[in-house]
Amino acid sequence: DQQVKQNSPSLSVQEGRISILNCDYTNSMFDYFLWYKKYPAEGPTFLISISSIKDKNEDGRFTVFLNKSAKHLSLHIVPSQPGDSAVYFCAASARTGANNLFFGTGTRLTVIP
Amino acid sequence: NAGVMQNPRHLVRRRGQEARLRCSPMKGHSHVYWYRQLPEEGLKFMVYLQKENIIDESGMPKERFSAEFPKEGPSILRIQQVVRGDSAAYFCASSPRAGGVDGYTFGSGTRLTVV
Repeated sequence: DQQVKQNSPSLSVQEGRISILNCDYTNSMFDYFLWYKKYPAEGPTFLISISSIKDKNEDGRFTVFLNKSAKHLSLHIVPSQPGDSAVYFCAASARTGANNLFFGTGTRLTVIP
Repeated sequence: NAGVMQNPRHLVRRRGQEARLRCSPMKGHSHVYWYRQLPEEGLKFMVYLQKENIIDESGMPKERFSAEFPKEGPSILRIQQVVRGDSAAYFCASSPRAGGVDGYTFGSGTRLTVV
């Protein structure tokens, strides 16, 4: 049962434009969400997170939006750069005492120079 | 300060052999988590350990898989009698505290291929 879903396996964007990666979840107990970036042959690296008490969190070029009623979050990257080309994973947890994360299947972002 | 170290990076085993995957957490981290990524899928939680204790193994297959985190040395994920379906990337993460999903640091993974 996939509790975190990323329905777009891939996304291509021109350099300088906005990249929008989407994520949906089904478990209403999830209250903490994270985005990870992964390059080939490397482990995931933390990018940005958001707690359910917020609807937006921003860090430089990266902004995450959370819509709790729709159980949907999105990651915006602007402006997109070629170095952003990677696989992006959305992850979620029920933060209180959470031991583990539930990951989506990832979206491969390609930023075209 | 080295990050999470996993070895080997690549491991090839024949069906029926044993696979041992090692994970040394970041300095100061005493909580270790193992995840598995099957081809074309996301990472799936397997087990959470603290020193000398298994805290949560709800994601571990019931047979052939075991994990430990001894008082000294790395955490070990052991797969006995491997089958082709065990071929995957196995990632270890560590954190400095329990419930520290926001403090995870992942290693680069071990890619297991069963032939």
